[in-house]
Amino acid sequence: DVKVTQSSRYLVKRTGEKVFLECVQDMDHENMFWYRQDPGLGLRLIYFSYDVKMKEKGDIPEGYSVSREKKERFSLILESASTNQTSMYLCASSQIGQGENEQYFGPGTRLTVT
Amino acid sequence: QKEVEQNSGPLSVPEGAIASLNCTYSDRGSQSFFWYRQYSGKSPELIMFIYSNGDKEDGRFTAQLNKASQYVSLLIRDSQPSDSATYLCAVRSGYALNFGKGTSLLVTP
Repeated sequence: DVKVTQSSRYLVKRTGEKVFLECVQDMDHENMFWYRQDPGLGLRLIYFSYDVKMKEKGDIPEGYSVSREKKERFSLILESASTNQTSMYLCASSQIGQGENEQYFGPGTRLTVT
Repeated sequence: QKEVEQNSGPLSVPEGAIASLNCTYSDRGSQSFFWYRQYSGKSPELIMFIYSNGDKEDGRFTAQLNKASQYVSLLIRDSQPSDSATYLCAVRSGYALNFGKGTSLLVTP
């Protein structure tokens, strides 16, 4: 079974803080993704990575950065958290060549910025 | 912007009925299509994927793809209250997936 884990289920941070969200997958997947999910807006891609140290911007990268130093770990960084970054953050991974690139999601981190 | 459209619902069906969920997409070159189920407060879980025109069946679930008309559908036979969830349609775009906003399904006993 594919397992994607995220460091926290719930997180409360203050405006201006630097926030790290960690994601780890145990299936040797090449691709990893960060989404945020908001009511009425659906799932929106923030960043993805197709290899170690490689990253690509998604649809809403502003205010975020990412790091992928090891294949199994993909971090999302909020350099200076703002209230409009309050959201559910979902990490996913996939492997090219496994089926049709289906993505498997972690449990999510609900971040509140006050 | 490549669009994936779903009716937000809620779609209400009685227990034992067939639930039909639909999705349209704008990118005519899309090749692979996915259905995810998401329970309230949980993350999406993959139900099935389809990449060839026609039907693909997996237990009570059938995915249907019509590339000429650019729509994908998911049929759930013998619907159960435990099927009540939001169903997300996704279309592959390079490495990533474009998701629809989901259709809320309510199966009433």
